[in-house]
Amino acid sequence: QVHLVESGGGVVQPGGSLRLSCEASGFSFSAYGMHWVRQAPGKGLEWMAYLGPGGGEKYYADSVKGRFTISSDNSRNSLYLQMNTLRRADTAVYYCVRDGLGGSDYWGQGTLVTVSA
Amino acid sequence: DFQMTQSPSSVSASVGDRVTITCRASQHINNWLAWYQQKPGSAPKLLIHDAFSLQTGVPSRFSGSGSGTEFRLTISGLQPEDFATYYCQQVNRFFPLTFGGGTRVEV
Repeated sequence: QVHLVESGGGVVQPGGSLRLSCEASGFSFSAYGMHWVRQAPGKGLEWMAYLGPGGGEKYYADSVKGRFTISSDNSRNSLYLQMNTLRRADTAVYYCVRDGLGGSDYWGQGTLVTVSA
Repeated sequence: DFQMTQSPSSVSASVGDRVTITCRASQHINNWLAWYQQKPGSAPKLLIHDAFSLQTGVPSRFSGSGSGTEFRLTISGLQPEDFATYYCQQVNRFFPLTFGGGTRVEV
């Protein structure tokens, strides 16, 4: 059974940094691409970043390019999102998502990041 | 970047109704489109992949159609548990993988 469990969210001041983690289980983690998707309070879904199988490909939304870095540790079956220079507009629930090619087929429960002074 | 435009932004419906949501892509995306359902306080759930393929376990009252730039999600015989927000997403590997703005289906 596929499980994705995010952690690392919290309250951070503008300009600060945070690292989100996602622990995956129930599937061959290194064989799948993975995404981070976020949702600001009361708003829609926003795709953030993608890491290809094996970690070779990386893509980012323009809104976070140069500030956020997606990475993985296959030995720990874990996905990460390093977030630097955080802005109030980055306040959102961040979801770890498995790429199913034709759609994102498994989602974690999300972790809330609040950027506030 | 691809833009995805969903309509309507909200729709009022009753149990048993047929509801259709439209998603338009700014560029041709073949069948690279997914539909998701999200209920308050929960993560989104994949309903339809590759424009018309029903995800395992999703009731057959949900169906997807369309190709190219115009797509539709139809719920035939709305059930109480279907009141939720629905999103489309282009997944054609030309990043960013943009979501539509969402459609809220309400009573």
